[in-house]
Amino acid sequence: QVQLQGSGPGLVKPSETLSLTCTVSGGTVISGSYYWTWIRQPPGKGLEWIGYIYYTGNTNYNPSLNSRVTISMDRNMNQFSLRLNSVTAADTAVYYCAREVLCRDGSCHANYYGLDVWGQGTTVTVSS
Amino acid sequence: DIQLTQSPSFLSASVGDRVTITCRASQGINNDLVWYQQKPGKAPELLIYAASILQSGVPSSFSGSGSGTEFTLTISRLQPEDFATYYCQQLNNYPYTFGQGTKLEIK
Repeated sequence: QVQLQGSGPGLVKPSETLSLTCTVSGGTVISGSYYWTWIRQPPGKGLEWIGYIYYTGNTNYNPSLNSRVTISMDRNMNQFSLRLNSVTAADTAVYYCAREVLCRDGSCHANYYGLDVWGQGTTVTVSS
Repeated sequence: DIQLTQSPSFLSASVGDRVTITCRASQGINNDLVWYQQKPGKAPELLIYAASILQSGVPSSFSGSGSGTEFTLTISRLQPEDFATYYCQQLNNYPYTFGQGTKLEIK
């Protein structure tokens, strides 16, 4: 059973870079069946889709963060990572890594199956 | 971006009740909609995809319907473990967006 485990610093100073890693166990990131995704949730608020990386290295980001965000993959470590530059207090949130399913039981549909596996969430506070 | 508006934002109900949550999209999204349940301090869990297909392992008391711009999530008989916050998410267009959430509380 696939599990995702997010990790990274819980406190980041304003204007610095937030860096988080998601380690995938029980499966491989080198799969055409999934998008590896980051989602965030500010305290007491709703969910925001940040973006994803595909095993080919293709990425897709939320335009609201596009100029500040980078998602990358380390195939050897079976991990994918999030970097968010020039953070402010507005970036304080719980950051979730998740898996979006593209193919299931031999049937492939993009934008169809949703995010079926989530990490536990990493709380990041932006403060000096 | 496609806006999703859930109603109500808060819902108070009793164990055994039937409840319905609505999610309206600012433009047509076919059936590219999923529903999640989130409990305090936990990650969301996928309940329904393609607007009406139950994710494996989700109780049959949950059901979804709709297409285009209006969607519903129904819980036919509330159990104590169903009290949580529910979110819809559209997968029709990037960036993916979520509804603001519906918090289901015990009356």
